[in-house]
Amino acid sequence: EAGVVQSPRYKIIEKKQPVAFWCNPISGHNTLYWYLQNLGQGPELLIRYENEEAVDDSQLPKDRFSAERLKGVDSTLKIQPAELGDSAVYLCASSLGTAGNEQFFGPGTRLTVL
Amino acid sequence: AQSVTQLDSQVPVFEEAPVELRCNYSSSVSVYLFWYVQYPNQGLQLLLKYLSGSTLVESINGFEAEFNKSQTSFHLRKPSVHISDTAEYFCAVSETGGFKTIFGAGTRLFVKA
Repeated sequence: EAGVVQSPRYKIIEKKQPVAFWCNPISGHNTLYWYLQNLGQGPELLIRYENEEAVDDSQLPKDRFSAERLKGVDSTLKIQPAELGDSAVYLCASSLGTAGNEQFFGPGTRLTVL
Repeated sequence: AQSVTQLDSQVPVFEEAPVELRCNYSSSVSVYLFWYVQYPNQGLQLLLKYLSGSTLVESINGFEAEFNKSQTSFHLRKPSVHISDTAEYFCAVSETGGFKTIFGAGTRLFVKA
């Protein structure tokens, strides 16, 4: 069974440019998470989806970040415009929709903003 | 709101020695507790979790953790480490029945030959 797929693995852009990350969760997982991981820190939740509905986006900086999960399967996270402080690893995870269930993580996208 | 503190950012240890990675949490409600491991260039993987029942939980590769409610701790231990255990370990907490998971900053375990 394929794991959580993310692309691209690495992205380098100049500040003020837009960038998008894509995530394909494990088949059948209705819960999808986007996390931000800064160097030396643990993952921090940006947004959580239950199927196609964003049920927790309280930590998503909505002035520049947006996300979508059309049809409740794969998801895209976008930053426009990117700032220097957005340099980090963006992680996607998925799980079956029961509290306490294991989250399965993708390898992440490492973003560098110059 | 919950929080997680991992007291050691790095733990160097010799192969076959015992190791303990410390984790303390803060919460006003009952919690689920997790340890995730991240090997180099890989995504996080669940190592073990406590939901309820026995306070001592074990993983398939010899790690164990004990939920101590009075000390609000969930320390991870292994009696004899291998080179292959070199990785970053994250402690995490969520409210019982909740989905939002709070992760600690991680502890980098470095096993030396």
